[in-house]
Amino acid sequence: NAGVMQNPRHLVRRRGQEARLRCSPMKGHSHVYWYRQLPEEGLKFMVYLQKENIIDESGMPKERFSAEFPKEGPSILRIQQVVRGDSAAYFCASSPPTGSGEQFFGPGTRLTVL
Amino acid sequence: GENVEQHPSTLSVQEGDSAVIKCTYSDSASNYFPWYKQELGKGPQLIIDIRSNVGEKKDQRIAVTLNKTAKHFSLHITETQPEDSAVYFCAASKSSGNTGKLIFGQGTTLQVKP
Repeated sequence: NAGVMQNPRHLVRRRGQEARLRCSPMKGHSHVYWYRQLPEEGLKFMVYLQKENIIDESGMPKERFSAEFPKEGPSILRIQQVVRGDSAAYFCASSPPTGSGEQFFGPGTRLTVL
Repeated sequence: GENVEQHPSTLSVQEGDSAVIKCTYSDSASNYFPWYKQELGKGPQLIIDIRSNVGEKKDQRIAVTLNKTAKHFSLHITETQPEDSAVYFCAASKSSGNTGKLIFGQGTTLQVKP
């Protein structure tokens, strides 16, 4: 009964480096969502993926950010050339294929850009 | 665009009292309304949800009400306990065919004083 798993839990990068955040959905879930939470704010939708497909990326910044959910392995959120403004908590959520709409969140990755 | 407003931003109650958090949404096509509890350093935890074909739902000390006409929904916690202290988020989505990204409110920090 493992829930949504994210790693690393904490990630420190210097400006200009790349950050890779990983998310493994709950067993049996084939839909993954990524959200960003800035300090003292609510969560903002970034991208929705199914296996090998990006369904909705309307919340993704146009540059430096990309996401994938390969046939095998976890979903990856990639941030290239990080800047201080990228410092935030990044949460992944998964949902079952039943169409219930329920999303279950992982513990998050807290990214700090120095 | 899609927007969810949440009030109050902070709420302090005495143990045993009731707490009410209110949200309004802008997109009349929204049909799924979950509530999440987030403790410090953790991911959001789904505590209750309601769909647009239902006006009220209750689960032990927690209840949610929905007024579709006013585009308004509320979380009610009765007999509050110190362990209820956390940040609570409402959200709304158009959950048809499991494509629904969640639009979150800004969050309410609930403090229950023993």
